[in-house]
Amino acid sequence: QSVLTQPPSASGTPGQRVTISCSGSSSNIGRNYVYWYQQLPGTAPKLLIYRNSQRPSGVPDRFSGSKSGTSASLAISGLRSEDEADYYCAAWDDSLSGVAFGGGSKLTVL
Amino acid sequence: EVQLVESGGGLVQPGGSLRLSCAASGFTFSSYAMSWVRQAPGKGLEWVSTISDSGGSTYYADSVKGRFTISRDNSKNTLYLQMNSLRAEDTAVYYCAKSGGGTYISDYWGQGTLVTVSS
Repeated sequence: QSVLTQPPSASGTPGQRVTISCSGSSSNIGRNYVYWYQQLPGTAPKLLIYRNSQRPSGVPDRFSGSKSGTSASLAISGLRSEDEADYYCAAWDDSLSGVAFGGGSKLTVL
Repeated sequence: EVQLVESGGGLVQPGGSLRLSCAASGFTFSSYAMSWVRQAPGKGLEWVSTISDSGGSTYYADSVKGRFTISRDNSKNTLYLQMNSLRAEDTAVYYCAKSGGGTYISDYWGQGTLVTVSS
């Protein structure tokens, strides 16, 4: 059971906008930044969003992040086939004194 | 360019030990916290351990506390994970990851090394 809760799957058609949620608690998302990773099949995770809503250089602006209270979300607009991947949220957890990950959401582009 | 190259994975019997290494380059290694994160076959990401930039602070997941030890050699730009009393449930790809500035959350990951615990 992951500390952060994500839906196991999400889907959309090309060009559509999809969102993936990440629910936590006051000890993690409620008081710390949220990060999002993209993991393409057979590869290492790649940082997609940091500090709730910031994009590293090279990440398209189709990807955006937001946070409210103890929840966060990742939005992908203009969906493309190459966006098909697993997406994970993460945050430092003050109670655990460690990194909390979501269970991951598998995005399928129909 | 940040590069993280893990090594030391392999097949080990239950109860055995293994030491993973991660060679870092492309950034000032001694200025960043580092972590190990694992992923069991077909499963999600699981944080294992984090060490501060100086090595003075270490953090462990409950699942590995008392069995695994994280360490670093800033003179060699290398991160380590000593794994003892290995169990079947420790079977996973182990990723070395660099933390972003001012945080313990990772921004760059290595390609991972597979650890298989089986008799």
